[in-house]
Amino acid sequence: AQKVTQAQTEISVVEKEDVTLDCVYETRDTTYYLFWYKQPPSGELVFLIRRNSFDEQNEISGRYSWNFQKSTSSFNFTITASQVVDSAVYFCALLQGAQKLVFGQGTRLTINP
Amino acid sequence: GAVVSQHPSRVICKSGTSVKIECRSLDFQATTMFWYRQFPKQSLMLMATSNEGSKATYEQGVEKDKFLINHASLTLSTLTVTSAHPEDSSFYICSARGPKETQYFGPGTRLLVL
Repeated sequence: AQKVTQAQTEISVVEKEDVTLDCVYETRDTTYYLFWYKQPPSGELVFLIRRNSFDEQNEISGRYSWNFQKSTSSFNFTITASQVVDSAVYFCALLQGAQKLVFGQGTRLTINP
Repeated sequence: GAVVSQHPSRVICKSGTSVKIECRSLDFQATTMFWYRQFPKQSLMLMATSNEGSKATYEQGVEKDKFLINHASLTLSTLTVTSAHPEDSSFYICSARGPKETQYFGPGTRLLVL
């Protein structure tokens, strides 16, 4: 069965701190895709990143970085120098087969000023 | 690019009435769209997969006669909640499958059934 686990239900940090959101996945497929989405209080899911199973390169985009490790089935997301606007629920997701996204339970991140 | 709109953003209706929600891909064509439901402080629950020109595929436990889905064009899918009841109150969010197998989400619709 395919599954995504985000063990951290809620994280609260002070602005400017670095924070890492964990994501562990399970799949028997050799080809798959992993995603991170941000859901601010307004409700819309904002696409952040897509990674396929053959590309283990880490990626950095501004203050965001992602660490994909197939050996540990993890796809962690780090925000450096966090800002209040980063407060949101973050979802990690696994593309199952060619169709369905399997979501983790989400991590609610609160950045305090 | 890859923008998905959803309308209405918020709707309040009386019990027993039907409500239609539209999901549009604005700058790309989507042969496949998805409808999710999200309860407060929970993850997204896939309700159905909508394929252009064919019947939707519903997830286990989702009543197809209750939640009617139509995907008549490559940019529009609609979800109709028929004979809505208070327990149908929820946040409904659609997505469209875009380039590179990525799902792009609409802003969601908050439904309140009185």
